[in-house]
Amino acid sequence: DGGITQSPKYLFRKEGQNVTLSCEQNLNHDAMYWYRQDPGQGLRLIYYSQIVNDFQKGDIAEGYSVSREKKESFPLTVTSAQKNPTAFYLCASRRQGVNSRDTGELFFGEGSRLTVL
Amino acid sequence: GQNIDQPTEMTATEGAIVQINCTYQTSGFNGLFWYQQHAGEAPTFLSYNVLDGLEEKGRFSSFLSRSKGYSYLLLKELQMKDSASYLCAVSGYYGGATNKLIFGTGTLLAVQP
Repeated sequence: DGGITQSPKYLFRKEGQNVTLSCEQNLNHDAMYWYRQDPGQGLRLIYYSQIVNDFQKGDIAEGYSVSREKKESFPLTVTSAQKNPTAFYLCASRRQGVNSRDTGELFFGEGSRLTVL
Repeated sequence: GQNIDQPTEMTATEGAIVQINCTYQTSGFNGLFWYQQHAGEAPTFLSYNVLDGLEEKGRFSSFLSRSKGYSYLLLKELQMKDSASYLCAVSGYYGGATNKLIFGTGTLLAVQP
């Protein structure tokens, strides 16, 4: 079945360590997004990508990095520069070209819960 | 800029109707989404509006007025399982970047017997 897969579901990290969250989709979607959600809060945009080899910063990109080498994959690295990384991270994708106005539904993965010890 | 406002919490009674409002400001509006999110889970898609008017889908309806920067989600015949957070999200052109999709903080709906 087509869908979007995030891994790992739960992750523990020591302070000062980088960690990479995986996001893979087989929906043939152009656009992919990373959001962060803190308890009782809405989703805040970290990075997004509308096409392979291109991505833009969202509202809270500091301390994070991404790559988009393949259409199917959009991994997020939480670096040691991110001061408060404990959160629920959600990856999403949708059918969206750079100049297309056909936005399409946003499909979410199941999320990755990162805890810094 | 891109601001999205919705009430933080609402309470309603099983079987009743509830309306959740969302106001937004964005450059180059390109669509508004409503999502439902249960605690600890990923959001699930409810509706999408890009033109003015009402979109109906079963017990859920969503309305959009682009000139007013306003939308609402209407839930009819409320059930206990409708207790969840409801997220309003807006897609727009922002600072030269196309189709940036921003979420509001969500409205936590509690359905009581």
